[in-house]
Amino acid sequence: DSGVTQTPKHLITATGQRVTLRCSPRSGDLSVYWYQQSLDQGLQFLIQYYNGEERAKGNILERFSAQQFPDLHSELNLSSLELGDSALYFCASSPRQGESAEAFFGQGTRLTVV
Amino acid sequence: QKEVEQDPGPLSVPEGAIVSLNCTYSNSAFQYFMWYRQYSRKGPELLMYTYSSGNKEDGRFTAQVDKSSKYISLFIRDSQPSDSATYLCAMNRGSNYKLTFGKGTLLTVNP
Repeated sequence: DSGVTQTPKHLITATGQRVTLRCSPRSGDLSVYWYQQSLDQGLQFLIQYYNGEERAKGNILERFSAQQFPDLHSELNLSSLELGDSALYFCASSPRQGESAEAFFGQGTRLTVV
Repeated sequence: QKEVEQDPGPLSVPEGAIVSLNCTYSNSAFQYFMWYRQYSRKGPELLMYTYSSGNKEDGRFTAQVDKSSKYISLFIRDSQPSDSATYLCAMNRGSNYKLTFGKGTLLTVNP
């Protein structure tokens, strides 16, 4: 168990809908990273937050947004969902601002858009 | 050309075999190189982390980096059925930069 908790584990929703994925980082970790994993694209970095502030942005669509709350948990919001958004979404956390290599991954949320 | 290329496999070997997993990359700015293991329906877990060229050994695992060839390898000695997983290479330009992952190689070790 990595100590990173993601909910829900599975999510099935219809096109056009909006969903929220939640991540609780390991105790004491200030950085949270979100990744998307699909069969054709592999694991893609979406966005990073450090202590409540956005620190880095990757291949995140405008329909997607994220935030990190004062208690350090993070939420990834996906809106106007399309079939192609079906993927595994991982959250990872690390204790420091920039050392992403030391990040610990959660178990992921499997999103299926039908 | 993708920044990181990794043969997706699948790779199937008998128990006890030496396994070689490889990635090539195109961005010469990459300085840190990692290998992650991902079991089915689980998140990736960090196996090995190396900086710059050279070898690093940890138990049955050896990571090798050849920056002149832009080529990294992970060797698994005395492979076990419990090593069956997808292995992802990853790299970045420095500790403040995002990770770029390969697509992963699916390994099956048969008893």
